[in-house]
Amino acid sequence: DVKVTQSSRYLVKRTGEKVFLECVQDMDHENMFWYRQDPGLGLRLIYFSYDVKMKEKGDIPEGYSVSREKKERFSLILESASTNQTSMYLCATLRVASYEQYFGPGTRLTVT
Amino acid sequence: RKEVEQDPGPFNVPEGATVAFNCTYSNSASQSFFWYRQDCRKEPKLLMSVYSSGNEDGRFTAQLNRASQYISLLIRDSKLSDSATYLCVVNQGGGYQKVTFGIGTKLQVIP
Repeated sequence: DVKVTQSSRYLVKRTGEKVFLECVQDMDHENMFWYRQDPGLGLRLIYFSYDVKMKEKGDIPEGYSVSREKKERFSLILESASTNQTSMYLCATLRVASYEQYFGPGTRLTVT
Repeated sequence: RKEVEQDPGPFNVPEGATVAFNCTYSNSASQSFFWYRQDCRKEPKLLMSVYSSGNEDGRFTAQLNRASQYISLLIRDSKLSDSATYLCVVNQGGGYQKVTFGIGTKLQVIP
């Protein structure tokens, strides 16, 4: 079974703080994704990575950056957290052979 | 027009009923299609892939209509445990694996 883990299930941060969300997968998948999910808006792609040290902006990259130093780990960084970044953050991998995605349990981030 | 459109519902159906969801997509070059299930406050999980020939998994049947650019999910004999949000997912493939999610359709199965 593919396993995708995220560093925290719940996180509360203050406005202006730098926030790190970590995602680790154990299936050697090349493609990894960061989404945020908000009521009424669905899942929106923030960034994705198709290889170590490679990254591409998604639909809503503003205010975020990412790091992929190792194949199994993909980190999302909020450079200066703002209240409009309060959301559920989901990490996912993709099996290229089938295009199926596998999600981590999510991190519910609250910025106060 | 949104790339992937779904009726958000909610669909409230009695146990044992048959319910169908549709999802339309705008990019005719889209290559692969999926239905995911998401329980409240949990992550999405793959329910089934959708093939041109249609596919069935127990009480669930998925269909793809490329000419009209929609996919459908049919659930027969609904169970209480089917209550969840069903996400339509379209993948355009290619080197960067562009994946687009629908907003999801909420299903509530009532005793």
